[in-house]
Amino acid sequence: DSGVTQTPKHLITATGQRVTLRCSPRSGDLSVYWYQQSLDQGLQFLIQYYNGEERAKGNILERFSAQQFPDLHSELNLSSLELGDSALYFCASSVRKAGASTDTQYFGPGTRLTVL
Amino acid sequence: DAKTTQPPSMDCAEGRAANLPCNHSTISGNEYVYWYRQIHSQGPQYIIHGLKNNETNEMASLIITEDRKSSTLILPHATLRDTAVYYCIVRSLYNFNKFYFGSGTKLNVKP
Repeated sequence: DSGVTQTPKHLITATGQRVTLRCSPRSGDLSVYWYQQSLDQGLQFLIQYYNGEERAKGNILERFSAQQFPDLHSELNLSSLELGDSALYFCASSVRKAGASTDTQYFGPGTRLTVL
Repeated sequence: DAKTTQPPSMDCAEGRAANLPCNHSTISGNEYVYWYRQIHSQGPQYIIHGLKNNETNEMASLIITEDRKSSTLILPHATLRDTAVYYCIVRSLYNFNKFYFGSGTKLNVKP
């Protein structure tokens, strides 16, 4: 158990709909990352938040957005869903310890999104 | 970030050491080598990381060559539960944000 929690575990919805995925980082971790893993693409970095602010963007579609709240949990919003958005969505969290030159990301169990 | 090259699959007998190679010939001095694994469709699990020196923890050992262009992850006594996709990732000290997950190596541990 990494200490990162994600809800829901499974989500089935229809094309054109909007969904929200939730992530709670490990206690004390300030950074939250979102990744998408589809069958033919492998793990793709989407976006990172650090202490409530967006820090970096990867291959995130304009239909997708995220935010990190004051309690450090994060939500990934996916709208106008298409069949191709069906994938596993992982959240990871990390903290850079004082004096350390790197940090380690710990991943949650993921949310499996199926768009019909 | 430097990219990595890993064999697509490897077999290992249960109880034997599994040695998983990774080439990162374009690695630069400030880039770390990280290893993660993913069992079936679970979240990737952190294994170990290093910069220049060899590292060991309760899960595995990481051997990095002197020129840092390649590394080997060693699972000393593989079990069936070690069957997974293993990812070697190179990450910049100055670009903490992104992990580039390549295709990884599917390790099959056989009884």
